[in-house]
Amino acid sequence: AQSVTQLDSQVPVFEEAPVELRCNYSSSVSVYLFWYVQYPNQGLQLLLKYLSGSTLVKGINGFEAEFNKSQTSFHLRKPSVHISDTAEYFCAVSERGSQGNLIFGKGTKLSVKP
Amino acid sequence: DADVTQTPRNRITKTGKRIMLECSQTKGHDRMYWYRQDPGLGLRLIYYSFDVKDINKGEISDGYSVSRQAQAKFSLSLESAIPNQTALYFCATSDRRGYPSYEQYFGPGTRLTVT
Repeated sequence: AQSVTQLDSQVPVFEEAPVELRCNYSSSVSVYLFWYVQYPNQGLQLLLKYLSGSTLVKGINGFEAEFNKSQTSFHLRKPSVHISDTAEYFCAVSERGSQGNLIFGKGTKLSVKP
Repeated sequence: DADVTQTPRNRITKTGKRIMLECSQTKGHDRMYWYRQDPGLGLRLIYYSFDVKDINKGEISDGYSVSRQAQAKFSLSLESAIPNQTALYFCATSDRRGYPSYEQYFGPGTRLTVT
């Protein structure tokens, strides 16, 4: 069965510092990978997704993620964070042929401090 | 420009009461989903529907039921609410034409408290 592990439940970082939020998955088949962001008191918004092709995926708000098949990872990065990036970030996976049903990680709370 | 709306946004209810959460969408999508979010547990799928006549249980359907009244409306019911159903509930939609990833779009959530 597929599963998603977000290795850090909370990540505090200072403004303008780089950040990496880690995500590992397990699946016996090929997968599609997603990162969603949840700002306080809001729903989830798609940051980026990997379907195929280039393993480096760029998303909104300056975020990017790299798919590593051998490591079964899909880590999210941003070179310089802003206060407004404070939110909870969810990694999710769907198996090819599953009609898009998502399995979510438990989330990582990013807290950007001035 | 809320494409996926949920009502109510907040609800406090008592143990044993029946409660319905409603979701409407104007995106024209055929697929709809209900999730619950608990702190530290991420989102878990309760039910999903690929069209009006197709409803499927998700990971945690016990204690819940759903109704797909129309393509644009998908309701979640708690027949007899219990305190451990206190959570944030999200509705989401996707489009079968969104192959291959069928990206999901989320509503703003309903915060339910069962006392």
